Parts: sequence; structure tokens; C-alpha cells
Amino acid sequence: QKEVEQDPGPLSVPEGAIVSLNCTYSNSAFQYFMWYRQYSRKGPELLMYTYSSGNKEDGRFTAQVDKSSKYISLFIRDSQPSDSATYLCLVAQGGSEKLVFGKGTKLTVNP
Amino acid sequence: DAGVIQSPRHEVTEMGQEVTLRCKPISGHDYLFWYRQTMMRGLELLIYFNNNVPIDDSGMPEDRFSAKMPNASFSTLKIQPSEPRDSAVYFCASRDRGDSPLHFGNGTRLTVT
Repeated sequence: QKEVEQDPGPLSVPEGAIVSLNCTYSNSAFQYFMWYRQYSRKGPELLMYTYSSGNKEDGRFTAQVDKSSKYISLFIRDSQPSDSATYLCLVAQGGSEKLVFGKGTKLTVNP
Repeated sequence: DAGVIQSPRHEVTEMGQEVTLRCKPISGHDYLFWYRQTMMRGLELLIYFNNNVPIDDSGMPEDRFSAKMPNASFSTLKIQPSEPRDSAVYFCASRDRGDSPLHFGNGTRLTVT
């Protein structure tokens, strides 16, 4: 079983749609959870960082963590064409340098 | 804050040549990571440093790859000799402590012909 699973997509939605991106992980030792956005020919850019179960909101973005299910999500409200990118989840283990990326989900928001 | 700076942005070289990639981390960050990204394998950790000391190089594919961090503001990743299968985008990332997020540079796109 892979440590982090992320559906690669591609995912295509109309402008204004709510987008749900998800990752599952297998090791309960992971304590920190991050979402990155990567535009073509750019480096990954941090969107959200959380370390507890529950929701964290920042503008149109909401990160959700369910540690009991080992499941994390990123929701994008009112999606825009500028949100078209690849979204990567990153899970990290506290007290060590173990960081594991998902493979990324490619999102296209159509105007 | 200028962010993580990588150079060159693009590198095209012939098989067998030496390639050196460079990275300047964010000032004050104690950790530096080198990643390789391909379509097939996604982001793979090659090596990371803490306070200029290599901590885990288990991701370095083979002896042709080496990395150094002579000081807190500079790191290099060297491939000698390069091979076509090394073609990928190489990213450098830094962070300030063990539980903080990574900050990435814009990568070096390496093509080995």
C-alpha cells in the first residue's frame, strides 16, 4: 500500500463549480498536512497547512483533515480558470523529516 | 524575501557531460531539500540537509549524483556523467524548522540528449 494515494485525474469542471480534491494516507504517524498548487513550469506553491483534524478556511479554499479515516481534502469554491493547475498533497510526520507527496491531481477550470 | 532561487532554469546537455544545478535557500531556513519531478514518478526526494549537513541521501539514484551544501546560503546538485534518463525537473526547497512547510524554487528543467 502506498503511503499517500491521490487520484491523478485529470479533473475538468466549469467555472464557478465547487472542486473537491482528496488524498488518503496509510500511516497514522503523519501529523502535518499541506496542499500545494503547481502551475505549469513553476515550482509547487503552498496553499494550506494544517496539523489538526477539522477544517481550515482561507478565502475560497478549505482544507479538511479527518485523522480517524486518514483522509484529507481540499475544497475550492467558486472555481476560476486561474485555479487550473496541478494540486499536490503533502503529509509529514512530526519529530522526523518524513515527508510524502501525493502524485498530484491536474485540474482544469473551463470558462 | 526573494524565495528559493535556482539556476539555471533550463539545462540541455549531451549524455556523458557533467551537470551542476544550484540553489539558494530562503535566508534563515535550516533545512534544504532536493527533489526530482517526472510525469511517471511525481516528486521524489533525492537528499536533504539540516544546518548544511546531509541527513538522508537514500533517494539519490546512484553514485553519479552528488550534493553539497558548503554554507547556509548555497547548495549544488551534480550529475556526472549525465544520462538521458536523468531528464526531469529538479526542485530545491527549504524550510525553517522541522514542522514548517516547504518552500520551493521554480526548478531546473534538465534535458540530457
